[in-house]
Amino acid sequence: GDSVTQMEGPVTLSEEAFLTINCTYTATGYPSLFWYVQYPGEGLQLLLKATKADDKGSNKGFEATYRKETTSFHLEKGSVQVSDSAVYFCALEVYGGSNYKLTFGKGTLLTVNP
Amino acid sequence: ETGVTQTPRHLVMGMTNKKSLKCEQHLGHNAMYWYKQSAKKPLELMFVYSLEERVENNSVPSRFSPECPNSSHLFLHLHTLQPEDSALYLCASSQSFAGGTDTQYFGPGTRLTVL
Repeated sequence: GDSVTQMEGPVTLSEEAFLTINCTYTATGYPSLFWYVQYPGEGLQLLLKATKADDKGSNKGFEATYRKETTSFHLEKGSVQVSDSAVYFCALEVYGGSNYKLTFGKGTLLTVNP
Repeated sequence: ETGVTQTPRHLVMGMTNKKSLKCEQHLGHNAMYWYKQSAKKPLELMFVYSLEERVENNSVPSRFSPECPNSSHLFLHLHTLQPEDSALYLCASSQSFAGGTDTQYFGPGTRLTVL
């Protein structure tokens, strides 16, 4: 079945450090890929997405490139801020016969210290 | 209000209680979703409604009963829950249940504790 594997957290960084959160997937067909972010006490928000191979999604300084050859969609940011502290979820969406279905990873907690 | 709202934000209930979770979306969307978020587990899709009809039910126990009276409101009725049902229950909505570019917008969730 379809699945998403993302690096286990928690990840703790100092402000202005470089961030990478790894995400790999297994899917039938051609999935769309997403990163969602959940700030403390809030619901999930879409951070970025890519719908086909080699697409790069970007938002708020975060980037991820859809790599079909390695089935990966790693999240990166060059310089993190304290306000980036949150849980990050990698997800894929495939068409399952009659409808689309989002499958999420377990989430990675990021803490950025000043 | 804008976006997706959920009430209550926190709920503590005993195993014999009956309670309901409410979700309301102010985005004019036609599809609504219930997810369960447990610690150290991926989000689990529970139910999907499209144009007020249930289109997905992911083998959820019958002690969870959804209701979608109109395209803006979604309820999750709870009865005789178990302690392992304690989790964050998230509601989401999207323009349609067609996937692809239809982004799901999430509410803040209801933190449920079953004693």
